[in-house]
Amino acid sequence: GAGVSQSPSNKVTEKGKDVELRCDPISGHTALYWYRQSLGQGLEFLIYFQGNSAPDKSGLPSDRFSAERTGGSVSTLTIQRTQQEDSAVYLCASSSYDRALRETQYFGPGTRLLVL
Amino acid sequence: SQQGEEDPQALSIQEGENATMNCSYKTSINNLQWYRQNSGRGLVHLILIRSNEREKHSGRLRVTLDTSKKSSSLLITASRAADTASYFCATARNSGNTPLVFGKGTRLSVIA
Repeated sequence: GAGVSQSPSNKVTEKGKDVELRCDPISGHTALYWYRQSLGQGLEFLIYFQGNSAPDKSGLPSDRFSAERTGGSVSTLTIQRTQQEDSAVYLCASSSYDRALRETQYFGPGTRLLVL
Repeated sequence: SQQGEEDPQALSIQEGENATMNCSYKTSINNLQWYRQNSGRGLVHLILIRSNEREKHSGRLRVTLDTSKKSSSLLITASRAADTASYFCATARNSGNTPLVFGKGTRLSVIA
């Protein structure tokens, strides 16, 4: 009955380095979403996975950002050659395919990324 | 880009008072949801209202939706210090599993 988990909780990196952020969705949830929240801003959609379908990458801000979802469960968001403007909280959410529940997204605690 | 805006950006009230937050959006929607965020981390779903609904209640929460004005309001009655948080509206263009478009949120402070 665990919720969505994300790791690491906090990540400090140097400009130009690559980072990987991990998301473990709620077991059985077929949909997985990544969002980004910059300081004092709302959430910005990045990428969405639904089952085995091709992901919706329409929110990725540049080709430095990519994400994978292995085995329909765990997802990794990778940011290559990080820039200072990538500093933000990266939030992952999942939702069920159950008709009665699929519009509710369950969020993880987020990864706070700081690029120096 | 953000779908719309919440107002006010920040709201400070005394415990026991009602808090009203508003949200505007720009495009057609299937549903609108309100989420709460404590301490800048994970969000918690509060309530969902569909485009064919005008009002919905859940405990101390009341949500209204006016699709002609593309706006929604969230009312928290008899507020408590524990209601202190940021509140975000989010819109979905389609039913089912779909990415949400969030506003920038209202920061609510309830003073005991």
